[in-house]
Amino acid sequence: ETGVTQTPRHLVMGMTNKKSLKCEQHLGHNAMYWYKQSAKKPLELMFVYSLEERVENNSVPSRFSPECPNSSHLFLHLHTLQPEDSALYLCASSLSHRATSGNTIYFGEGSWLTVV
Amino acid sequence: DQQVKQNSPSLSVQEGRISILNCDYTNSMFDYFLWYKKYPAEGPTFLISISSIKDKNEDGRFTVFLNKSAKHLSLHIVPSQPGDSAVYFCAAGLSGGSNYKLTFGKGTLLTVNP
Repeated sequence: ETGVTQTPRHLVMGMTNKKSLKCEQHLGHNAMYWYKQSAKKPLELMFVYSLEERVENNSVPSRFSPECPNSSHLFLHLHTLQPEDSALYLCASSLSHRATSGNTIYFGEGSWLTVV
Repeated sequence: DQQVKQNSPSLSVQEGRISILNCDYTNSMFDYFLWYKKYPAEGPTFLISISSIKDKNEDGRFTVFLNKSAKHLSLHIVPSQPGDSAVYFCAAGLSGGSNYKLTFGKGTLLTVNP
């Protein structure tokens, strides 16, 4: 039990589909993140939300659209994706978005996305 | 250009021996370093961190060493256990800065053989 839960764990979608990834954190944190992990690449930050406000959009294509309705929930809406977008998408949260001792990032288990 | 490099994609160690995982960084501004562990089908979990004011931080079987002049850090696991088999990620950032400025390495797969 990580305190950060993601659904679905696995998703296969066509390039014309619209789908969403969901993340929920039960830790009372104020910052939430989306990361992408492709094969043989480091974790890449996609988006950061702090108190429901987006504070970072790390040059992510518009076919990925985040939504943070409250500090406990984060969505990643997907549409017209490409096969190269197939990856593990990790949600994470932390107390704040500041890198200080004790303010650790907690990750969810990830959503495996395959675009066909 | 990768600012955080884990040059060994994999490492195999016998149970009870020491595991040493290495990480190099290029940005001399980094002053906050972390190690995460990841099991298959799970998200990364925080293991240990160190700030640049220290050269060593210990937590049970896990010790992180920082060599600022060499821009190198290492994670020592002693004694290694089969349950330590996982992918280990090194991350670096600026303390007091934003977490989202953490830069991760590609990871090293550690296998501890019984």
